[in-house]
Amino acid sequence: DTGVSQDPRHKITKRGQNVTFRCDPISEHNRLYWYRQTLGQGPEFLTYFQNEAQLEKSRLLSDRFSAERPKGSFSTLEIQRTEQGDSAMYLCASSLGQASGNTIYFGEGSWLTVV
Amino acid sequence: AQTVTQSQPEMSVQEAETVTLSCTYDTSESDYYLFWYKQPPSRQMILVIRQEAYKQQNATENRFSVNFQKAAKSFSLKISDSQLGDAAMYFCAYRSPRETSGSRLTFGEGTQLTVNP
Repeated sequence: DTGVSQDPRHKITKRGQNVTFRCDPISEHNRLYWYRQTLGQGPEFLTYFQNEAQLEKSRLLSDRFSAERPKGSFSTLEIQRTEQGDSAMYLCASSLGQASGNTIYFGEGSWLTVV
Repeated sequence: AQTVTQSQPEMSVQEAETVTLSCTYDTSESDYYLFWYKQPPSRQMILVIRQEAYKQQNATENRFSVNFQKAAKSFSLKISDSQLGDAAMYFCAYRSPRETSGSRLTFGEGTQLTVNP
C-alpha cells in the first residue's frame, strides 16, 4: 500500500495555459475525490468518482475544469485557460467502498501557482 | 447543507501540556461521522480520530480524545502530553451518511497549533 500519490507536487504556469494533475489512489479504492485548498482555509469539495463514473461535481468546478477516471484507477484533473484565482493546492483522496464510515485517505497535494 | 466551524484560528501549548481545539457543526441529520484531521507542513492530511454520531462514548486514540456533545453539536479535540510533532493545522470535518452527498467531507477553517518547547 503506497498511499495516494499525486503528480506533479508543484506547478507554476502562466495565466491562460492549461495544466493537468494526476492522482493515483490507494489500490482497490473505488472512490476518488478531488478537493481544492487555498492558504489558511479548509479543503473544499470539487468532485468525486465511484469507479469510473463521476457522480457529483461542485459548483466550484467551472467549465474550465474537467476530471476523468477512465478505467476506475488513476484520475486526472485538467484546468484550461488558467486564471490567477486557480492558484491553490489540489488534493486527491480515496476510500474503499460506499460506507460513510470508511476512512478517506489524502495525497500530499498538487500546488498550483498561476502567474 | 452542513457547515463546520472552528472558532480558534490559532492555538499554542507548551510541550507536555494539554490543549483543546474546538469545533461546532450544523446539521439536520441524526446519523453522521465526525473527524479530526492533521495537516503538518508537508501538507498531507492525516486522520487523527473519528467519531460516529450514534455512539455516545467519546473516541480515544492514544493521546488524542474527543468530547462529543451531540445535542450541542460540538466536537472538540483534546491533545494530552503535547509533543513538538503535534504542531500542525488541525481540521474538523463532517461526513454525511447519505449517498447523494457522495459521503464527502465538509471541513472547518482549521486551527493552527503551535507547540512550544
